Amino acid sequence: DADVTQTPRNRITKTGKRIMLECSQTKGHDRMYWYRQDPGLGLRLIYYSFDVKDINKGEISDGYSVSRQAQAKFSLSLESAIPNQTALYFCATGTENTGELFFGEGSRLTVL
Amino acid sequence: EDQVTQSPEALRLQEGESSSLNCSYTVSGLRGLFWYRQDPGKGPEFLFTLYSAGEEKEKERLKATLTKKESFLHITAPKPEDSATYLCAVQARTNDYKLSFGAGTTVTVRA
Repeated sequence: DADVTQTPRNRITKTGKRIMLECSQTKGHDRMYWYRQDPGLGLRLIYYSFDVKDINKGEISDGYSVSRQAQAKFSLSLESAIPNQTALYFCATGTENTGELFFGEGSRLTVL
Repeated sequence: EDQVTQSPEALRLQEGESSSLNCSYTVSGLRGLFWYRQDPGKGPEFLFTLYSAGEEKEKERLKATLTKKESFLHITAPKPEDSATYLCAVQARTNDYKLSFGAGTTVTVRA
């Protein structure tokens, strides 16, 4: 099984719908992240969390919210999806010591 | 604001044809520079971390080097299985909670 699991892997939805992307990890890391990847723009940070009670906005948090349900679970929500949120979304985990991130396989979201 | 620029955007190589990828960065105090490999439909996979100018790391046909302004990823005698997108990222001492990524270089190695 993958260390960082994202569901769903693919989702097509319509403008205005609420969408939740889920992430779970078995690495035992405290730090969890949501990144968005767009062609030509690289990975951009949406939200990050250092523990269950610590949630922080990244550089592009508008239109998104998150929930850290447990040390191992971190979900990303789009309250009212819009077409420019069409992208590939990655969850990642990490530790303070190394800075290295471990990524899930991604969730491809298409908003029509 | 931390910035990472990778070049070229795409690189097509013949098997065995060595080449280098460039990662230029600006950061207020570098804590670490990271290289990742990303295959189509997959998440990025960690390759190397470099911490200070002059440092080098190697893994199979890949070697990463670091200066105060840029990093190079050298691919020696590449094979088709080296085809992937290579991502560079920096971590600042003052913002050590995140990595700032470049857009990547897509490498295609033809047999």
